[in-house]
Amino acid sequence: AQSVTQPDIHITVSEGASLELRCNYSYGATPYLFWYVQSPGQGLQLLLKYFSGDTLVQGIKGFEAEFKRSQSSFNLRKPSVHWSDAAEYFCALTRGAGGTSYGKLTFGQGTILTVHP
Amino acid sequence: GAVVSQHPSRVICKSGTSVKIECRSLDFQATTMFWYRQFPKKSLMLMATSNEGSKATYEQGVEKDKFLINHASLTLSTLTVTSAHPEDSSFYICSAGPLYEQYFGPGTRLTVT
Repeated sequence: AQSVTQPDIHITVSEGASLELRCNYSYGATPYLFWYVQSPGQGLQLLLKYFSGDTLVQGIKGFEAEFKRSQSSFNLRKPSVHWSDAAEYFCALTRGAGGTSYGKLTFGQGTILTVHP
Repeated sequence: GAVVSQHPSRVICKSGTSVKIECRSLDFQATTMFWYRQFPKKSLMLMATSNEGSKATYEQGVEKDKFLINHASLTLSTLTVTSAHPEDSSFYICSAGPLYEQYFGPGTRLTVT
């Protein structure tokens, strides 16, 4: 069975500091991986996705993530955090091409990011 | 990007009644939509896949007779929570979109008293 683990439930950083949110996955093949952000009252917004190719992917709002197959990880990073980045972040995966569960996402538990001024 | 709306955003109902939640794709057609449930301080759990013109497929452990899904058009899926009980209180979220690019609705907060 596939699973996604986000080890950090809550992270606090100062504005301007760098950020790394961890995500580990368990899946028998190469998954398609996503990072979403959820702000209060808002739907989940896609930050970035990895399907194949370059293992460092760039997303919106200055975020990037690196896929490391050897570590089964897909950590999200941002070099300088802004107060508006405070939200909850979810890592998710779905089966790759050819799977029978297209579109079905398995989510991690989420990481709440607090940004101090 | 594509927009998915949900209505209502918040609903309170009495135990034993039914409540309907709508999910609409506003600027694209969706033959498939997904319904998720999010418990407080927990992740999103996929409940079911809504298929336009055919029966929904439910994830293991989800009661199909309690959570009725209808996908009557290419832009609308509805989730009806029947005979709601307090344990059904939760945040329900739908998604739709092209392959491997799901857009999420803002969610519906259901409180059953």
